[in-house]
Amino acid sequence: NAGVTQTPKFRVLKTGQSMTLLCAQDMNHEYMYWYRQDPGMGLRLIHYSVGEGTTAKGEVPDGYNVSRLKKQNFLLGLESAAPSQTSVYFCASSPTNGRAFFGQGTRLTVV
Amino acid sequence: AQSVTQPDIHITVSEGASLELRCNYSYGATPYLFWYVQSPGQGLQLLLKYFSGDTLVQGIKGFEAEFKRSQSSFNLRKPSVHWSDAAEYFCAVGPTSGGGADGLTFGKGTHLIIQP
Repeated sequence: NAGVTQTPKFRVLKTGQSMTLLCAQDMNHEYMYWYRQDPGMGLRLIHYSVGEGTTAKGEVPDGYNVSRLKKQNFLLGLESAAPSQTSVYFCASSPTNGRAFFGQGTRLTVV
Repeated sequence: AQSVTQPDIHITVSEGASLELRCNYSYGATPYLFWYVQSPGQGLQLLLKYFSGDTLVQGIKGFEAEFKRSQSSFNLRKPSVHWSDAAEYFCAVGPTSGGGADGLTFGKGTHLIIQP
């Protein structure tokens, strides 16, 4: 009963490096989301997807790209990491009734 | 645009005392409302949710919340807190049309401290 799994759990990047965060869900949910969590800011939506092959921008999309080639996977990419992208990233998925299930988070530090 | 306000950044409560965490939302229609809890270094766990019907909803771990449309509020309560309740609590709002398609809007969180 895995639910939502994020990899990696921790990562340190140098400024300008690229990386991809992977989110996988085994609940056959249509909707998937990427949030970032910063101290005192709560969670802010980066990008989301309402189905395989579709993506859309959330509240803070700049500097990130996403892809949803398979229904169960939602990838978040950073093409050129910046220190401002140091954060904890959460993936979530939900069926169409609005309840979101969250992964355990990825702690990313950009130095 | 929707928004969620959690007025209290930190709350300190003695173990065994009652708890109320405040949440106010701004939304154009009747929203879906949620409370999530996050323990240090962990992901978010759903405590309870309101979609429709009875405005007093029961959740896990002895928590409940009351939806008050006239006050645009969805306050979280617990009659007697335990040391294990120390965590960060987030209120969130989501759209009723299309379910969670546009994602949730979160408040900035309330950090709950339990005094022995």
